[in-house]
Amino acid sequence: SQQGEEDPQALSIQEGENATMNCSYKTSINNLQWYRQNSGRGLVHLILIRSNEREKHSGRLRVTLDTSKKSSSLLITASRAADTASYFCATDARAGGTSYGKLTFGQGTILTVHP
Amino acid sequence: DAGVTQSPTHLIKTRGQQVTLRCSPKSGHDTVSWYQQALGQGPQFIFQYYEEEERQRGNFPDRFSGHQFPNYSSELNVNALLLGDSALYLCASGQGSGETQYFGPGTRLLVL
Repeated sequence: SQQGEEDPQALSIQEGENATMNCSYKTSINNLQWYRQNSGRGLVHLILIRSNEREKHSGRLRVTLDTSKKSSSLLITASRAADTASYFCATDARAGGTSYGKLTFGQGTILTVHP
Repeated sequence: DAGVTQSPTHLIKTRGQQVTLRCSPKSGHDTVSWYQQALGQGPQFIFQYYEEEERQRGNFPDRFSGHQFPNYSSELNVNALLLGDSALYLCASGQGSGETQYFGPGTRLLVL
């Protein structure tokens, strides 16, 4: 079963614009991760944010986490055509207080960046 | 430094057959997880192996089984294939608790 829901399901923007994707989840988590997938191939890890963190940056990526609302957002600034891909959030939920890396993914957001 | 590798890249089988997929983890990693990704969906966790034992399992039937070898590589076996088993099968490796996992390119399985 899918833990998270991404919003929107699809996003189409022009190069240079910012892209924001949202993710909601249902249970308590240890961390939340964002992945990118090109053309149905392997997933590329983008960023991990722990449950005690509220915001994290990596290059043009900014992730926020609101554990009270069980939601996260991924912002890609100054987008490029090469950012065109599917983006997934994945949660690593608590299991007896420990984390074994069992990730639960949302259904993803398809981002298209037009040149 | 080689990343996670998977073989084969594509596979076509017929209903009722059995299939074995293979995964070699990233160098230095000792945990291997398997995921199934149906078309248009997010990946779903099948199971995870650590120290040659299945450590966690998702909501998949016993037709799905696996193995981890002493060199940390892993196999996913699926018996009595169904049409619904058609999917991209992803392997991910990590260290210990596997907080950050690195995914391979996947094996695309088509069941006819």
